[in-house]
Amino acid sequence: QVQLVESGGGVVQPGRSLRLSCAASGFTFSSYGMHWVRQAPGKGLEWVAVMSYDGSKRYYAESVKGRFTISRDNSKNTLYLQMNSLRAEDTAVYYCAKDGGLGLRRFFDYWGQGTLVTVSS
Amino acid sequence: EIVMTQSPATLSVSPGERATLSCRASQSVSSNLGWYQQKPGQAPRLLIYDASTRATGIPARFSGSGSGTEFTLTISSLQSEDFAVYYCQQYHNWPLTFGGGTKVEIK
Repeated sequence: QVQLVESGGGVVQPGRSLRLSCAASGFTFSSYGMHWVRQAPGKGLEWVAVMSYDGSKRYYAESVKGRFTISRDNSKNTLYLQMNSLRAEDTAVYYCAKDGGLGLRRFFDYWGQGTLVTVSS
Repeated sequence: EIVMTQSPATLSVSPGERATLSCRASQSVSSNLGWYQQKPGQAPRLLIYDASTRATGIPARFSGSGSGTEFTLTISSLQSEDFAVYYCQQYHNWPLTFGGGTKVEIK
């Protein structure tokens, strides 16, 4: 069965960096695009970034463009999110999500349980 | 950016009753629309994609309809496990965007 396990969250000061990881299993990781989606406490869902199956395409939300970098290691079945210049408004649960189809369908058919990032001094 | 608007914000329904949730897009998204269910403390779960296709393992009481700018999620007979927050999401254009959610609560 598909499993996505995020790690790397925690408390970080404004302006600092953090790297999230998402370990995938139960499917052919190298065949699917992968996304990060976040949810601020008590708020709705916000798509953050996507990387295509082979790393050739990356797209970002405007709110994180230039500060966050999505990457993947298909040999390790792992997705990453490097977050730099963190702000208080980046505080959220960050979910790793599998793209819904071969190619880039752009919806999310499996989600991890999320990792909480808190940006606070 | 395509803005997704869900209504109502909260829907109070008795178990066994029908629930109808609405989602409107600020411009046409064709049929590139998904619905997700989220329970407290849990990750979202895909219910519907391509506006009307049920995801794997989703019960038949969940159905989606619509195209263009107007979409509906219908739960034909609410079960206790269906009380949750529901989000729509467009994937017609970048950036991908979600509606603000509809909370379905017990009446």
